Amino acid sequence: SYVLTQPPSVSVAPGKTARITCGGNNIGDKSVHWYQQKPGQAPVLIISYDYDRPSGIPERFSGSNSGNTATLTITRVEAGDEADYYCQVWDSSSEHYVFGTGTKVTVL
Amino acid sequence: QVQLVESGGGVVQPGRSLRLSCAASGFIFSDYAMQWVRQAPGKGLEWVAVISYDGSSKYYADSVKGRFTISRDNSKNTVYLHMNSLKTEDTSVYFCAKSTSASWKGPGADSWGQGTLVTVSS
Repeated sequence: SYVLTQPPSVSVAPGKTARITCGGNNIGDKSVHWYQQKPGQAPVLIISYDYDRPSGIPERFSGSNSGNTATLTITRVEAGDEADYYCQVWDSSSEHYVFGTGTKVTVL
Repeated sequence: QVQLVESGGGVVQPGRSLRLSCAASGFIFSDYAMQWVRQAPGKGLEWVAVISYDGSSKYYADSVKGRFTISRDNSKNTVYLHMNSLKTEDTSVYFCAKSTSASWKGPGADSWGQGTLVTVSS
């Protein structure tokens, strides 16, 4: 089955840039979606199809995808960005959606 | 605005069954695929199942295939998850989520319910 690997945690100072990776075999050939989940809340879609931002999502959030790694970049990090972040793809081989292992972002 | 409200969770013994419901409003329900996603306590997100806009296509995670059934009633704007032969490892918060299009193979989910807790325990 297809596996998506994320770093367990990323720490970043306010105002700096956080990069969260999502590794998978030839993930660049797939469309990647990113979700933000705060404690006790449902996930929120923040990036779809590699780099599209849904309405209401700040421009500080951006995505890229190439080769074996997709990346979520958060610029000018704020305290409110502290959350868990998950990547997701549709694996056409298995006809399954797959979530990444999740990354906890801590704002120092 | 889009609203998804799950119900039907609770405490159930291993081997028993449970049906979750997700009532949708604020959008044309029959135009969108729907997903179920679960999250065990303190763990990450796990995709469970997806159903096409018209209910004709359904896909399941290996961990639930053969035990869980996703269905929908477009006349009632409701998606269901029928769960049979429940195991302790099925204990999770179950979220329903609206796909961003009618396609069930690829889109993300742009609206989520608040989740309903299922606890499988003797």
